Amino acid sequence: GDSVTQMEGPVTLSEEAFLTINCTYTATGYPSLFWYVQYPGEGLQLLLKATKADDKGSNKGFEATYRKETTSFHLEKGSVQVSDSAVYFCALKGAQKLVFGQGTRLTINP
Amino acid sequence: DGGITQSPKYLFRKEGQNVTLSCEQNLNHDAMYWYRQDPGQGLRLIYYSQIVNDFQKGDIAEGYSVSREKKESFPLTVTSAQKNPTAFYLCASSTGTGSTGELFFGEGSRLTVL
Repeated sequence: GDSVTQMEGPVTLSEEAFLTINCTYTATGYPSLFWYVQYPGEGLQLLLKATKADDKGSNKGFEATYRKETTSFHLEKGSVQVSDSAVYFCALKGAQKLVFGQGTRLTINP
Repeated sequence: DGGITQSPKYLFRKEGQNVTLSCEQNLNHDAMYWYRQDPGQGLRLIYYSQIVNDFQKGDIAEGYSVSREKKESFPLTVTSAQKNPTAFYLCASSTGTGSTGELFFGEGSRLTVL
């Protein structure tokens, strides 16, 4: 079945550092790919998405490119802020339901 | 404002008791979902409903029950048959499973069994 694998956390960075959170997937067909973010004590919010190969999703300085050849959708940000501290979930939507990765906790220190 | 409202935010339950978590949406979405979140395990799908009066089991439906009598409401009952109910429960909705599948989430309900 469909599955998503994220890099294990937690990840701790200093403010203004470069961020990469790796995400790879296994799916039949051509899924849509998502990054969701969960701030402390809240539900999840959609951060960005890509619906076909080579699409780049972007929002709030975050980017991810749908790479079909490597089945990846890595999340990047050039300069993180303390307010980016959260749990990040990679997800895919195949023929039926949405499948989530296990989440990566990110902490940014000032 | 449009959105999803979950209540209560925190709930304590004694072993052997059933408890019902409320989820209401005013987004006019057809599909609604319940997920369970445990530390380090991501989100696991409990039940989902694509239309009123119809719902399907997700990956971990045992010990849970739902109803979908109204489009706006999708309550989840955690029964005494659920062996490890302490968790964070998230309700979500979408315009339908035939779409790209973007979900809108509530703020969650944290259930603790004493």
